[in-house]
Amino acid sequence: EAGVAQSPRYKIIEKRQSVAFWCNPISGHATLYWYQQILGQGPKLLIQFQNNGVVDDSQLPKDRFSAERLKGVDSTLKIQPAKLEDSAVYLCASSLVGGGIETQYFGPGTRLLVL
Amino acid sequence: AQKVTQAQTEISVVEKEDVTLDCVYETRDTTYYLFWYKQPPSGELVFLIRRNSFDEQNEISGRYSWNFQKSTSSFNFTITASQVVDSAVYFCALNPSGSARQLTFGSGTQLTVLP
Repeated sequence: EAGVAQSPRYKIIEKRQSVAFWCNPISGHATLYWYQQILGQGPKLLIQFQNNGVVDDSQLPKDRFSAERLKGVDSTLKIQPAKLEDSAVYLCASSLVGGGIETQYFGPGTRLLVL
Repeated sequence: AQKVTQAQTEISVVEKEDVTLDCVYETRDTTYYLFWYKQPPSGELVFLIRRNSFDEQNEISGRYSWNFQKSTSSFNFTITASQVVDSAVYFCALNPSGSARQLTFGSGTQLTVLP
């Protein structure tokens, strides 16, 4: 079974530029998550989708971050404009249904460096 | 609010030694789930185990074992006869089954196994 796919794996941009990350979850997984992992810390949830609807985006900095999952499968996370403090690894995860008891499976992440 | 504490930031052991990674959690929920993930240098979070709050049986899987003690709110992870390939960052995480269904991660423990 294919795992969670993410691209690109690495991205270097200058501050104030925009960037987009893509995620394709495990086939059949209804719930998709985006996490931000700053160096030396555990992942922090940014947004959770159930199919193509948003379940939780309370920790998403909506002034600069946006995410969509239009057809309920793959998803895009965008940052515009980027700040230095956005340098982190962006992890995508998926689970079968969602709801607290589901195991989340993670992709390899996208390492973003903002200069 | 949920909180997961991994007090050990870094641990170094010599190959074949046993090592225990500590995890202490806080939650007001009576039903919750605890997880351990491994993050090797490649960056992908690898699921190791899920345990629900009603099941306090210890679990053993090969060289890995987990000790869940609800009385002390701890979910410790032991690697027996460690190997160099065990070198990674290990995260403990908590997911309550209440309305706030976020996966809360600890800050991780960097384990280095020396040959």
